[in-house]
Amino acid sequence: GAGVSQTPSNKVTEKGKYVELRCDPISGHTALYWYRQSLGQGPEFLIYFQGTGAADDSGLPNDRFFAVRPEGSVSTLKIQRTERGDSAVYLCASSLAVAGANNEQFFGPGTRLTVL
Amino acid sequence: GESVGLHLPTLSVQEGDNSIINCAYSNSASDYFIWYKQESGKGPQFIIDIRSNMDKRQGQRVTVLLNKTVKHLSLQIAATQPGDSAVYFCAENTGGFKTIFGAGTRLFVKA
Repeated sequence: GAGVSQTPSNKVTEKGKYVELRCDPISGHTALYWYRQSLGQGPEFLIYFQGTGAADDSGLPNDRFFAVRPEGSVSTLKIQRTERGDSAVYLCASSLAVAGANNEQFFGPGTRLTVL
Repeated sequence: GESVGLHLPTLSVQEGDNSIINCAYSNSASDYFIWYKQESGKGPQFIIDIRSNMDKRQGQRVTVLLNKTVKHLSLQIAATQPGDSAVYFCAENTGGFKTIFGAGTRLFVKA
């Protein structure tokens, strides 16, 4: 079956530009997560959606970062006025989010963002 | 703040030997811990998890041990194979779905 997919796989942009990163979760998964992973580091939590709403956005580094999930499926991470420090691999994950259960997260391959 | 860290950044083992990867966590309120495996160019892959009301859980060739007294987590891989070569992360859930990852340990398996 299809796993989590992310597009594009690579994105190169110039400092100050706007970028959008897309995540297609596993069908039926109500929970969706965005992480950022810098070289040699573990994934850093950014935001978590339960359905269409952002249940926890405490990891977004500043107001240049924004994410949406308008229909409770596909999500888009938007970064305005990109900076060189935004360069990283952006990972998306999804899970069933069943209350009281351990919710295994399934990760996509990530989008490698390079800001020149 | 919350943090999950690892004792050793790299581990090299002989094929067929057992591997032990260690992790320390700082948030005593965390109630759910997970080990992930990440191969180059791929996203993390779930290996095994454990709730804080347990101290040991076994899977296929893997065992996770949790010592809440010293806030320590370990992953044991039996009969390590070349395909086990990857970076391993421990992670903790802090009250819900937010997951905090450690920095990772790279496992090298020598043939």
